[in-house]
Amino acid sequence: GAVVSQHPSWVICKSGTSVKIECRSLDFQATTMFWYRQFPKQSLMLMATSNEGSKATYEQGVEKDKFLINHASLTLSTLTVTSAHPEDSSFYICSATGGGWTQYFGPGTRLLVL
Amino acid sequence: AQTVTQSQPEMSVQEAETVTLSCTYDTSESDYYLFWYKQPPSRQMILVIRQEAYKQQNATENRFSVNFQKAAKSFSLKISDSQLGDAAMYFCAYRSAFLGGSNYKLTFGKGTLLTVNP
Repeated sequence: GAVVSQHPSWVICKSGTSVKIECRSLDFQATTMFWYRQFPKQSLMLMATSNEGSKATYEQGVEKDKFLINHASLTLSTLTVTSAHPEDSSFYICSATGGGWTQYFGPGTRLLVL
Repeated sequence: AQTVTQSQPEMSVQEAETVTLSCTYDTSESDYYLFWYKQPPSRQMILVIRQEAYKQQNATENRFSVNFQKAAKSFSLKISDSQLGDAAMYFCAYRSAFLGGSNYKLTFGKGTLLTVNP
């Protein structure tokens, strides 16, 4: 099946710094990618939808300037958490679709902001 | 907007027994997809089963089957012959069948934590 990777799997950073998380579709072209945030023992909360070559569509309540999403190619999307603070600590998951009904998920990235 | 409700925060089952997880949803659309995803402790999301709303036949994947009641907007998951490896968080999800952009997005329920007792 299709594989989606995320890098890094774990990241610890200091408050005020920016962190970039990469999401790659390894064996298919991802026309649409999604970024989710998940708190412990809670559901996935969709942050934004990104289509290759166009601006991301953010869900209500998600700060566009805080969470920068770039989908520059059909195999790569990045999420940059700018000026990270402890409340941004969470588990971030990306998923990708090539246009069909299937959405393939990455393994997630744990972010800890000190 | 669509909503997905999972009313059972936690469930437990004995190994080799059968368990049913509940899911209801609300939508004004006539065509859509429904999914059950499993999230084990590794937190990797794994697709368990999917159902197309236009199909009356309930989907089945080995020990996993669904009871899809379109009129009642109900979509339950039955796990037969439960195994220790089935222990995980299970999420019910909805997706519009209309193509394009944000229509591909999944709406998730809050999840049901399944414990399998040996």
